[in-house]
Amino acid sequence: QKEVEQDPGPLSVPEGAIVSLNCTYSNSAFQYFMWYRQYSRKGPELLMYTYSSGNKEDGRFTAQVDKSSKYISLFIRDSQPSDSATYLCAMVGIQGAQKLVFGQGTRLTINP
Amino acid sequence: DAGVTQSPTHLIKTRGQQVTLRCSPKSGHDTVSWYQQALGQGPQFIFQYYEEEERQRGNFPDRFSGHQFPNYSSELNVNALLLGDSALYLCASHEWTHEGETQYFGPGTRLLVL
Repeated sequence: QKEVEQDPGPLSVPEGAIVSLNCTYSNSAFQYFMWYRQYSRKGPELLMYTYSSGNKEDGRFTAQVDKSSKYISLFIRDSQPSDSATYLCAMVGIQGAQKLVFGQGTRLTINP
Repeated sequence: DAGVTQSPTHLIKTRGQQVTLRCSPKSGHDTVSWYQQALGQGPQFIFQYYEEEERQRGNFPDRFSGHQFPNYSSELNVNALLLGDSALYLCASHEWTHEGETQYFGPGTRLLVL
């Protein structure tokens, strides 16, 4: 079993829709959770960063962490064609330059 | 302020050859991690350098080695290349803020082994 599970999709939605992306994990030591966006043939770009359980909002993006269920989500409101990319969840345990553990990534397409 | 830079952008090698990839972290960042991303997969941690020493290592064979220079830039070396080494190689530099630690990635080097 992988430490982090993420549905690879592909996921295709119409422009303006609310998108929900999710990851589950098995290691209860994970405390810091990130979402990266990766455009085709580019490096991952940090979108959201959260610590422990709770919600964090940044513009059209909301990150949600439920440590009791070992489940994290990223919501994208008013989705745009420019949001079409692969979204990677990543997590790490105790801070101190630890390695990130990534999900497989979900490929998302927003159709105009 | 330049972000994380990597060179070259693309590379084609044949089996058995050796390759060196280079990374310059963001200004002021002293810790560098390397990841391998196979097609359709998430990045996998290779190793991490801090103060010119390898501090952590993932599940990669000794064919993968690295180096960090006094200016914090880093190299990834892969010997005896295999077809399965074809991937996007990513460098990340580490930043600490009041919220904690984050990693910023470069554009990657795409390696194709024939």
